[in-house]
Amino acid sequence: QKEVEQDPGPLSVPEGAIVSLNCTYSNSAFQYFMWYRQYSRKGPELLMYTYSSGNKEDGRFTAQVDKSSKYISLFIRDSQPSDSATYLCAMTLGAQGGSEKLVFGKGTKLTVNP
Amino acid sequence: GAVVSQHPSWVICKSGTSVKIECRSLDFQATTMFWYRQFPKQSLMLMATSNEGSKATYEQGVEKDKFLINHASLTLSTLTVTSAHPEDSSFYICSATSRDTLYQETQYFGPGTRLLVL
Repeated sequence: QKEVEQDPGPLSVPEGAIVSLNCTYSNSAFQYFMWYRQYSRKGPELLMYTYSSGNKEDGRFTAQVDKSSKYISLFIRDSQPSDSATYLCAMTLGAQGGSEKLVFGKGTKLTVNP
Repeated sequence: GAVVSQHPSWVICKSGTSVKIECRSLDFQATTMFWYRQFPKQSLMLMATSNEGSKATYEQGVEKDKFLINHASLTLSTLTVTSAHPEDSSFYICSATSRDTLYQETQYFGPGTRLLVL
């Protein structure tokens, strides 16, 4: 079993839809959770990070962490064609986050159709 | 803020030659930089962790003599692919750690370097 599982998709939605992206993980020691967006042939761009269970909102994006279920989600409201990209979840064992080794999911390719 | 650059953005080279890729943190100092490799439709695979002034820590299965990493300053790390072969063709991405005002550290990624070895 991989440490981090993420459905690679592809996921195709109409413009304006609510998108739900998910990852599950097997190691309960993960403490710090991130979502990255990667456009084709570009490096990943950090969207959100959190280190506790619950919800964190930033504009149209909401990150949700459920440590008891070892499940994290990213919700995108009012999706736009410019949101079309691959979304990667990532997590670390330590609470320091960025200075630790990131364990990535495989990424979910999202297409938002106008 | 927290911008990371890479140079070159793409490179084509002949088999057997060496290629150097630079990673710079433009507006912050990064004590830790990471090098990743990404094959098509795959996720990022960590190759090594680089700390300024010390030897890099390589992940299992990554040849340290083939992928030379130098972290000469708090804003620059270089990856040299020595004696490159076609199987080394990949997308190489670096990241650098930035600490925010809450002392929380986050990795910011460069735009990547696409390497094609003929």
